[in-house]
Amino acid sequence: DAEITQSPRHKITETGRQVTLACHQTWNHNNMFWYRQDLGHGLRLIHYSYGVQDTNKGEVSDGYSVSRSNTEDLPLTLESAASSQTSVYFCASSDRIGEAFFGQGTRLTVV
Amino acid sequence: DAKTTQPPSMDCAEGRAANLPCNHSTISGNEYVYWYRQIHSQGPQYIIHGLKNNETNEMASLIITEDRKSSTLILPHATLRDTAVYYCIVRPLRAGNMLTFGGGTRLMVKP
Repeated sequence: DAEITQSPRHKITETGRQVTLACHQTWNHNNMFWYRQDLGHGLRLIHYSYGVQDTNKGEVSDGYSVSRSNTEDLPLTLESAASSQTSVYFCASSDRIGEAFFGQGTRLTVV
Repeated sequence: DAKTTQPPSMDCAEGRAANLPCNHSTISGNEYVYWYRQIHSQGPQYIIHGLKNNETNEMASLIITEDRKSSTLILPHATLRDTAVYYCIVRPLRAGNMLTFGGGTRLMVKP
């Protein structure tokens, strides 16, 4: 069955380190998204991509970057991790107008 | 994108129908209504979507008013496993458009 997977599921890193969160989908969807969710809050969009070599900033993109070199993967990089980036990160993919599929999340703690 | 308004929380007795309302009075003619839910700590899960006709699937029913300014998600026989945050999202019919999450409704199903 097609799926979307995130890795790692849990990560602890130090302030200032570069961190990359992986997202891999086998739906062959062109559209992929990264969200963050902080305790007691809804999901906020970080970056998104509509296809290979396409990336766009969401509402909370500062300090994050993404690259899309193939259809299956959209890695999220924190250039220099900050404590404010401690959060749960969700990756999603979708087709043109249908449902979006979300990964199980990566819980990132920056100490 | 049209803004949605949902009650922050609701309770429902196990085995009874859960009716979750959503107001989207500024919805445009080409915008769909989507419902997702997020069970504690998991990634959001697609439930159902519709344009103007009522829709039903194995999970729920979606009732959209004739003027499309509001909708109701119906879980016909709520179980304890339906306890979750339910998000009503209005999304334009454009390729790859992202989902914008609001606060949602926290549904508590009680024995």
